[in-house]
Amino acid sequence: GESVGLHLPTLSVQEGDNSIINCAYSNSASDYFIWYKQESGKGPQFIIDIRSNMDKRQGQRVTVLLNKTVKHLSLQIAATQPGDSAVYFCAETPGGYQKVTFGTGTKLQVIP
Amino acid sequence: EAQVTQNPRYLITVTGKKLTVTCSQNMNHEYMSWYRQDPGLGLRQIYYSMNVEVTDKGDVPEGYKVSRKEKRNFPLILESPSPNQTSLYFCASSLFSPGTGKTGELFFGEGSRLTVL
Repeated sequence: GESVGLHLPTLSVQEGDNSIINCAYSNSASDYFIWYKQESGKGPQFIIDIRSNMDKRQGQRVTVLLNKTVKHLSLQIAATQPGDSAVYFCAETPGGYQKVTFGTGTKLQVIP
Repeated sequence: EAQVTQNPRYLITVTGKKLTVTCSQNMNHEYMSWYRQDPGLGLRQIYYSMNVEVTDKGDVPEGYKVSRKEKRNFPLILESPSPNQTSLYFCASSLFSPGTGKTGELFFGEGSRLTVL
């Protein structure tokens, strides 16, 4: 619920602008990455994924960029809409795919 | 409808009173996992299961037990709950490919908010 959004870095963007949410991952052995969106009172939902043999992947209005050199992941949302307001988590999975580690999340607020 | 179902959604209990949070998925997924979500700490993995009768510890397993007797169910058991287990709990499932050893995206339940007094 709402308590999930407390203590999180917050990104405020105007409706219609592009949003960029960043994530630093920790394990250099991670080779599969996912972005999840969590709306208030709900469980996280898959947005887009990328494997380590790629540096960019595009979906509908979303793009994920992967920079393995600096262990950085970003999520770009084009033409941000009020429905995009949520907490966004990156997740990394090292080889073996058994443990999934989530980032602490970023709260996206879209200003109408 | 493909879904992960958790029960109860909300629970207030007292220290030491055993409780079980159930989780069921209807997608025939091999992989299931439990997470707890706390403000400022994100989602932390408690336990996971690669298939029936195969379970392993995540990052924060202390105070929890799990079982995987059937493919669709993965209950989380708190034998003697304590206040530091007050949290929002999520169950998730995913396909798992034994050939590649790879899982895919996680499908999450709606969450179970537990308060231990």
